[in-house]
Amino acid sequence: RKEVEQDPGPFNVPEGATVAFNCTYSNSASQSFFWYRQDCRKEPKLLMSVYSSGNEDGRFTAQLNRASQYISLLIRDSKLSDSATYLCVVNPVDTGRRALTFGSGTRLQVQP
Amino acid sequence: DTEVTQTPKHLVMGMTNKKSLKCEQHMGHRAMYWYKQKAKKPPELMFVYSYEKLSINESVPSRFSPECPNSSLLNLHLHALQPEDSALYLCASSPGERNTEAFFGQGTRLTVV
Repeated sequence: RKEVEQDPGPFNVPEGATVAFNCTYSNSASQSFFWYRQDCRKEPKLLMSVYSSGNEDGRFTAQLNRASQYISLLIRDSKLSDSATYLCVVNPVDTGRRALTFGSGTRLQVQP
Repeated sequence: DTEVTQTPKHLVMGMTNKKSLKCEQHMGHRAMYWYKQKAKKPPELMFVYSYEKLSINESVPSRFSPECPNSSLLNLHLHALQPEDSALYLCASSPGERNTEAFFGQGTRLTVV
């Protein structure tokens, strides 16, 4: 089983739509969680950290469910500029593997 | 704009060449990383330096040799690479290894011919 799993998509949605991505992780000792965004042929950029209490940044909402070991990202009112690959990232600190582990990414295409 | 700077942005090298990739950050971060990314795949961890010491080597072949001259600089020395080593090489840094997000440079797109 992969450490971090995501639906690769693509998710094709119209402008203005709400879209949600889920991600599951296998290591229950994982301590920190992030969503990164990666545009084609560019570096990953931090979108937001994910906290146990959930957090919101404008149109983006991230949630963490430790019991079920999944993380979600909700994008409201999608813009064309949201088209990118969204990477779910976990830092399994307590296992001694102290570096970010990436999911395979979910591709989002927002259509005009 | 990224505060992690990588040079060069593009590199084409022959299989007998020796080259180096460079990475620099001035955010005072104490952990630095090399990742390799192939097309349509997520970044794969290669090396982690923590406080200028190599703390993780993900079983990377010896033709890749990392070096951390000081807390701001990270190099990746390349020698006798294979065409399948062609990829985007990403450097990242974070304040520490624990519970912290990482910030990536723009990467070096490497082609081995």
